[in-house]
Amino acid sequence: AQSVTQLDSQVPVFEEAPVELRCNYSSSVSVYLFWYVQYPNQGLQLLLKYLSGSTLVESINGFEAEFNKSQTSFHLRKPSVHISDTAEYFCAVSDRYMSTGGFKTIFGAGTRLFVKA
Amino acid sequence: DTAVSQTPKYLVTQMGNDKSIKCEQNLGHDTMYWYKQDSKKFLKIMFSYNNKELIINETVPNRFSPKSPDKAHLNLHINSLELGDSAVYFCASSQDPSRRSPLHFGNGTRLTVT
Repeated sequence: AQSVTQLDSQVPVFEEAPVELRCNYSSSVSVYLFWYVQYPNQGLQLLLKYLSGSTLVESINGFEAEFNKSQTSFHLRKPSVHISDTAEYFCAVSDRYMSTGGFKTIFGAGTRLFVKA
Repeated sequence: DTAVSQTPKYLVTQMGNDKSIKCEQNLGHDTMYWYKQDSKKFLKIMFSYNNKELIINETVPNRFSPKSPDKAHLNLHINSLELGDSAVYFCASSQDPSRRSPLHFGNGTRLTVT
């Protein structure tokens, strides 16, 4: 079964500083990876996804993530964060559901990004 | 227009009661899910339906029973509520059950059992 590990439970950072949120996945032949963001009192929203092709994927609000097969990582980065980026970030992977052969999304434990003024 | 909507947003009830949470999506998606998020923000899948058919049923007590009257709706009924059921329950949908389809979440239902 697939799994993801988010190495940091909390990441405090000052506004306009760069940030990296770390995510490692368990090894597999092929893998589909996602980052979701959860703002307070809201549901999760898709930030970006890696399905195939270019290993660097970007979101519309300046985040990017790089799929690194040799290190089994999919770290999320932003060169300059804003106060509004304060949220919970979840790394996720698609995993086969053995009983039916369908797929389910497995989430990491989340990383709380706290941007300080 | 809310894509995935859940009601109620908050639910406070006593142990032993029975309660339901409703979910509707207007995205035209074939697949719907229920996830449970505990107090430490950990998310765990509970159920998934594809075109009204149950395709994922994780290890969830029998007190939890999902119902999908049509592919746009997935409701969750919980019998004999326990303190440990307190959590935020999220409904989600995806275009199909393939590994490529990202999830679209509702805003959650915060269930508090006293």
